[in-house]
Amino acid sequence: GQNIDQPTEMTATEGAIVQINCTYQTSGFNGLFWYQQHAGEAPTFLSYNVLDGLEEKGRFSSFLSRSKGYSYLLLKELQMKDSASYLCAALDSNYQLIWGAGTKLIIKP
Amino acid sequence: ETGVTQTPRHLVMGMTNKKSLKCEQHLGHNAMYWYKQSAKKPLELMFVYNFKEQTENNSVPSRFSPECPNSSHLFLHLHTLQPEDSALYLCASSQPTGGGDLHEQYFGPGTRLTVT
Repeated sequence: GQNIDQPTEMTATEGAIVQINCTYQTSGFNGLFWYQQHAGEAPTFLSYNVLDGLEEKGRFSSFLSRSKGYSYLLLKELQMKDSASYLCAALDSNYQLIWGAGTKLIIKP
Repeated sequence: ETGVTQTPRHLVMGMTNKKSLKCEQHLGHNAMYWYKQSAKKPLELMFVYNFKEQTENNSVPSRFSPECPNSSHLFLHLHTLQPEDSALYLCASSQPTGGGDLHEQYFGPGTRLTVT
């Protein structure tokens, strides 16, 4: 079956760095997405990786290892507004998005 | 603002009621999606429409009935729901042509549904 695993909840301190991991098992693979979802709001796109390696976009970076079925989202210089859920989703061979349950990130002052 | 709007934002309905959720996208996309989001669970894909044609129905009970009159509008008609249907219902759109990056989905704010 197809499956995405990510931690349910993480806590970090304002100004620090946090890494949110995601492992995936899908029928075929056409890339991996990360979305951010603030409470009561729509998920919004953060990043897309299809090749191995690190993609940096400001304070946020996303890494992919296709051979390991593994990705992570790295958030630097954490701000209180980064408190949100982070959703990992893999695009399978049929171009269907397989979603993880999301990681709730709590930022403390 | 993602270019996808949903109404109503909140809905409380009894098990015998009939109601409809509406989604509209202003992005010129050809694909639209309905998702159910329950607490601490992955997004559940319910229905997919591509160029107004339904291409996915992921074993959704018949008490949920989608309608896509054109590529900009999507409805979800609800009748005789159960309390376990209470959840956030999200609409999304995309322009799924070419490479994987073009499968990025744009979400509406969702309708918080409570079935009493």
